Amino acid sequence: GAVVSQHPSWVICKSGTSVKIECRSLDFQATTMFWYRQFPKQSLMLMATSNEGSKATYEQGVEKDKFLINHASLTLSTLTVTSAHPEDSSFYICSARRPNTEAFFGQGTRLTVV
Amino acid sequence: SQQGEEDPQALSIQEGENATMNCSYKTSINNLQWYRQNSGRGLVHLILIRSNEREKHSGRLRVTLDTSKKSSSLLITASRAADTASYFCATASNYGGATNKLIFGTGTLLAVQP
Repeated sequence: GAVVSQHPSWVICKSGTSVKIECRSLDFQATTMFWYRQFPKQSLMLMATSNEGSKATYEQGVEKDKFLINHASLTLSTLTVTSAHPEDSSFYICSARRPNTEAFFGQGTRLTVV
Repeated sequence: SQQGEEDPQALSIQEGENATMNCSYKTSINNLQWYRQNSGRGLVHLILIRSNEREKHSGRLRVTLDTSKKSSSLLITASRAADTASYFCATASNYGGATNKLIFGTGTLLAVQP
């Protein structure tokens, strides 16, 4: 099956700094990728849809200036958490899929802001 | 936003028993997918059922879909300790022509006792 690679798998950063998370589709071109956030023992909440070559589409309640998404190529989308605060600590997961088929997920990134 | 709810929230069974998880959703869908997540890890796709299908099998997995009731069930037969994980249903729909994004249910935590 297709592989989606997410990096880093975990990161600890100081409050006020920015963190970039990368999501790569390794063996297919993904015009669309998705970013999710997951709190402990909870489900995945869709944050935004990343569109190659255009602006991301954010879900209601997600701050676009806080969570910057860039989809510069057909195989790479990045999520930057700007001016991170402890409440941004979470598990972030990306996925890529072709329409009407299964989605492939990255391994996830555990962000801890101290 | 969260599309669906799953029940039970948690399920504990003995090895060899069958496990049934239910998912209900709110809007029209193109397809429904089931995923598995081991603690703190990425998601693994299990099975996809399209809106015009009623039942699908894959190994020890059996999925049903009732679009009139907006519900689906996942049956794992002859469970094993290695099946211990969280299971999520996810629905794919067209929202105003947007790319099929996946919206996840609340999840069921399955524990299989050896």
